[in-house]
Amino acid sequence: AQKITQTQPGMFVQEKEAVTLDCTYDTSDQSYGLFWYKQPSSGEMIFLIYQGSYDEQNATEGRYSLNFQKARKSANLVISASQLGDSAMYFCAMREPYNTDKLIFGTGTRLQVFP
Amino acid sequence: DVKVTQSSRYLVKRTGEKVFLECVQDMDHENMFWYRQDPGLGLRLIYFSYDVKMKEKGDIPEGYSVSREKKERFSLILESASTNQTSMYLCANYDRHDDGYTFGSGTRLTVV
Repeated sequence: AQKITQTQPGMFVQEKEAVTLDCTYDTSDQSYGLFWYKQPSSGEMIFLIYQGSYDEQNATEGRYSLNFQKARKSANLVISASQLGDSAMYFCAMREPYNTDKLIFGTGTRLQVFP
Repeated sequence: DVKVTQSSRYLVKRTGEKVFLECVQDMDHENMFWYRQDPGLGLRLIYFSYDVKMKEKGDIPEGYSVSREKKERFSLILESASTNQTSMYLCANYDRHDDGYTFGSGTRLTVV
C-alpha cells in the first residue's frame, strides 16, 4: 500500500534561514506524483510544488524546491529565506495513479518561523 | 481558477443526528474526494467519486456515506453523528488536464 511518512511533527526556523521538511514515501508503482501543500491557520490548502516520478530535475517554485531522491524514496521540501508568513502546517502527499487519482497524505509538519 | 465550495465553515450537531456536508465544484471534473483532518493524523480519505453515481470507499469510510447525483456536487453524509466524528472535513477535486487538486475551505464539524 502507498504510504507517506513525515517524521517531523514540528520544526522551528529563524527568519531568513533555510529549512528542510522531510518526506519519505512508499510505493511499488513506477508512475506517481508527489505534492507539497501549505495549510495556514485559516485552514485552506495551498498547493506549493509538484514532482513527477519521471521528472529528472528537482522541481522549484520561487522559494520552494523539492529535493527528490528517487532511489531513497524521499521528496524533501526546502524553503529558502524563511518568512514569518511561512508559519503553517505542511503536508507531503502522493497521487495514486491508474484511475483513482487518490491523494495520500502524510501526517504533516508544523513549521514555526521566529524573528 | 477552479473553485470548490463547502457550504458550511462551522457546524455543530447533536449525537445521533443525520448530517449532510455539501461540496460543489464549478468545473466538470470527474474525480472528487472527501477527507477528514485530525491533529497528528494528517488528512485521511473517507470516500471518493470518479463520476456521477460512482463512489469508492477510502481508508476510513465507517459511519459515512456519500452521494453524487450531479457531477458538480459531492455530498458527505453522517448517518448518525457521533462525538468521534468531530473533525475538520475537506472536499477536493482533481483536474486531469493540469494534474492538480483544488480543495474547499473546510467544514469544522463538532458533534455534541
